[in-house]
Amino acid sequence: DVKVTQSSRYLVKRTGEKVFLECVQDMDHENMFWYRQDPGLGLRLIYFSYDVKMKEKGDIPEGYSVSREKKERFSLILESASTNQTSMYLCASSSSSPLGEQFFGPGTRLTVL
Amino acid sequence: AQSVTQPDIHITVSEGASLELRCNYSYGATPYLFWYVQSPGQGLQLLLKYFSGDTLVQGIKGFEAEFKRSQSSFNLRKPSVHWSDAAEYFCAVGARGTYKYIFGTGTRLKVLA
Repeated sequence: DVKVTQSSRYLVKRTGEKVFLECVQDMDHENMFWYRQDPGLGLRLIYFSYDVKMKEKGDIPEGYSVSREKKERFSLILESASTNQTSMYLCASSSSSPLGEQFFGPGTRLTVL
Repeated sequence: AQSVTQPDIHITVSEGASLELRCNYSYGATPYLFWYVQSPGQGLQLLLKYFSGDTLVQGIKGFEAEFKRSQSSFNLRKPSVHWSDAAEYFCAVGARGTYKYIFGTGTRLKVLA
């Protein structure tokens, strides 16, 4: 069974903390994505990566950075967490066909106090 | 710019009734089109996709969708809804030649017993 896993389902952090969200896929996909999901706003793309060490900004990259050192792993970093980054974060991967089906992880619900 | 509109935020249907969820898109050429479902607390699961060819697409769980180029629509249908179909449904557009997907804001389906 193909899988995208995320390191935490729930996370609570304090304002100003550095936060790492990890995503791992086992499908040998080239493309990986980070979205945030907020009620009434759908999914908004933060960053995506189409190869190891390659990344591109999505629609809302401010306050975030990413790292992809290995093909199967894509990390989202909040350098200094703020309360407006409280959200559900979803990781996805897809093959490079391009725009093959995206496979999603279960999400991380992050609360910043 | 590409966009996806799901005009219905909430829909309530009785179990056994038929269902149609609307999706309209704006894109200069024929896009890749997707419908995803998200059960509470879960990631997104692909229901069906349209890339080319037959405009009526069959998906999992008894869902189908029809691509209508003249109306820029890709509505999701199911002839008889089950209580387990209660979830949030997202329509997405993939821009050909890019890595980018654009998601609608979602339609939350409630099923009455």
